[in-house]
Amino acid sequence: AQSVAQPEDQVNVAEGNPLTVKCTYSVSGNPYLFWYVQYPNRGLQFLLKYITGDNLVKGSYGFEAEFNKSQTSFHLKKPSALVSDSALYFCAVRVSSSNTGKLIFGQGTTLQVKP
Amino acid sequence: DTAVSQTPKYLVTQMGNDKSIKCEQNLGHDTMYWYKQDSKKFLKIMFSYNNKELIINETVPNRFSPKSPDKAHLNLHINSLELGDSAVYFCASSLGVQENTEAFFGQGTRLTVV
Repeated sequence: AQSVAQPEDQVNVAEGNPLTVKCTYSVSGNPYLFWYVQYPNRGLQFLLKYITGDNLVKGSYGFEAEFNKSQTSFHLKKPSALVSDSALYFCAVRVSSSNTGKLIFGQGTTLQVKP
Repeated sequence: DTAVSQTPKYLVTQMGNDKSIKCEQNLGHDTMYWYKQDSKKFLKIMFSYNNKELIINETVPNRFSPKSPDKAHLNLHINSLELGDSAVYFCASSLGVQENTEAFFGQGTRLTVV
């Protein structure tokens, strides 16, 4: 079965420090991985995706993610956190060859950036 | 212009009532979805439509009935609402069902059943 895990319910970081939000996946076949952010009382916003190619993917708002096939991970990173980055972050995987477009989400990680 | 819009944003209703949530996308996408976010923020797909055809129904009770009058619209009708239906419902769309296409989400409809 396809699954995504975000092992941390919450990540706390000081403004200006680097941040990492962790994600691991389990799929049969090629993984297609996504990160979304949800601000309070808002919908999900797409940040970035990994399809194939470079393991380091750059996305919106200065975020990037590193795909690691051997560790089956796709951690979200940012070199310098902003207070405005505080939000709920979701990792998701789209099942290859399912022909349904279905996204499977992790349980979400709340990022708190303190001034 | 909002890419994926849903109405209403908030919906408070009594148990046993029937209600609908509407969704429209102006992105020209072929595929639309309904996702449910529970009180623990967990997101799970409910339905997926591609070119107005239902392609996913994730063991959702029959009380939930999606309808897609055209590719730009996917509405969700819920009969005989129950307390457990309280959640945030998100509509989304994507270019197609290909693995490399990201989904765009609406702002959500917070349904509260009392």
